[in-house]
Amino acid sequence: LAKTTQPISMDSYEGQEVNITCSHNNIATNDYITWYQQFPSQGPRFIIQGYKTKVTNEVASLFIPADRKSSTLSLPRVSLSDTAVYYCLVGDSNTGNQFYFGTGTSLTVIP
Amino acid sequence: DSGVTQTPKHLITATGQRVTLRCSPRSGDLSVYWYQQSLDQGLQFLIHYYNGEERAKGNILERFSAQQFPDLHSELNLSSLELGDSALYFCASSPPGQVINEQFFGPGTRLTVL
Repeated sequence: LAKTTQPISMDSYEGQEVNITCSHNNIATNDYITWYQQFPSQGPRFIIQGYKTKVTNEVASLFIPADRKSSTLSLPRVSLSDTAVYYCLVGDSNTGNQFYFGTGTSLTVIP
Repeated sequence: DSGVTQTPKHLITATGQRVTLRCSPRSGDLSVYWYQQSLDQGLQFLIHYYNGEERAKGNILERFSAQQFPDLHSELNLSSLELGDSALYFCASSPPGQVINEQFFGPGTRLTVL
């Protein structure tokens, strides 16, 4: 089971770019790297997923180095509504792996 | 709205009791996952079912059990409840294939054990 390590909390000012790094030293060959966002008392919401190099969608970018032992979620120009907990997961649901969410990174955006 | 429904939204019960939480996945999704989230433990994976069969098991206590029915809805049964079982219980579903790890979470059931 590939576990992940993330900073417990981060603060950022509105309009800044935020980078949250996750380490996953024992990632398996078939594992994908997935990031979720969770607001208080709501279920997590999928943000982005990647296997290697860089992935970008309308809300975030995900950078994965060649060794895949870490990944960085980049949120461009954050706003107050981005205040949430961000989870990094590694796994492959097709092989029946369980998903370890950990405690995530609590991001607070300051006006 | 993710399309995943969970009932009830809130549940208050006493220690030693048994409760059943229900989850209906999104239309077309074959996988159902159960998670427990308490204040001090974060989001803990409990169990995963795929098309009626158990696929993976996480930190699920022996007092807890789950099943997925032929219509794909799932139930999580919690028995001999203890104070420490008070938590938010989330169900998630995912479609077969495509984006592998994208799970759609329901609104959760808040369980309070008194």
